[in-house]
Amino acid sequence: QVQLVQSGNEVKKPGSSVRVSCKGSGDIGDTFIKYAIGWVRQAPGQGLEWMGGIAPLFGTPQYAQKFQDRVKMIADRSTGTASLELSRLTSEDTAVYYCTRTSIAVPGSGPAYYFYFMDVWAKGTTVTVSS
Amino acid sequence: DIVMTQSPDSLTVSLGETATINCKSSQNVLDTSKNEHFLAWYQQKAGQPPKLLIYWASTRESGVPDRFSGSGSGTDFSLTISSLQADDVAVYYCQQYYSSPLTFGGGTKVEIK
Repeated sequence: QVQLVQSGNEVKKPGSSVRVSCKGSGDIGDTFIKYAIGWVRQAPGQGLEWMGGIAPLFGTPQYAQKFQDRVKMIADRSTGTASLELSRLTSEDTAVYYCTRTSIAVPGSGPAYYFYFMDVWAKGTTVTVSS
Repeated sequence: DIVMTQSPDSLTVSLGETATINCKSSQNVLDTSKNEHFLAWYQQKAGQPPKLLIYWASTRESGVPDRFSGSGSGTDFSLTISSLQADDVAVYYCQQYYSSPLTFGGGTKVEIK
């Protein structure tokens, strides 16, 4: 059974950056080949917000437009790891950040792919932005 | 972006009774080439990450009890929990994956009466 293990909780100052890592463990099998690693965040007492994701096989991330100019997602299928970096933090970025295994569809022979549903979730990393 | 609207916001149901949660998408999430609805349901218990329950609108994830069922078409979907158990207390979310960005409903909290 595959598990995703994230790095520890973070406290950051406004204007700084945070990096959250995510590592596959257990029977990761083809997780980092046939799936994408997606990132979802949840502000305190709020709902779920998709930030984007990356299929390690292709290496090209896709970001939600809201985060386009300050997010970076990378993944390494050789090590079974992924990371999320979010810059120019504000108090509104205070949230639990989840990495997920996300099913994808690959419509052709090129690097384009589409995200589907998320069947494995890590426990989450709490990022607190406070001065 | 596709907006997902869930109702009700919260639901109180007696043990053994049926809970029905509704989810409406702002546009059709049916892929006609696949004849599949690009909709999933998740369960999130307090202090835990979400758990996938249903995908393709009605396909149960492995290990999910058959008292959970998904239905609907076009823009209107439902998650039904039959014979509600104490362990079902959670917030439930729908999610569309028809187009990017993936979007979630606001969540429905299910409690025991």
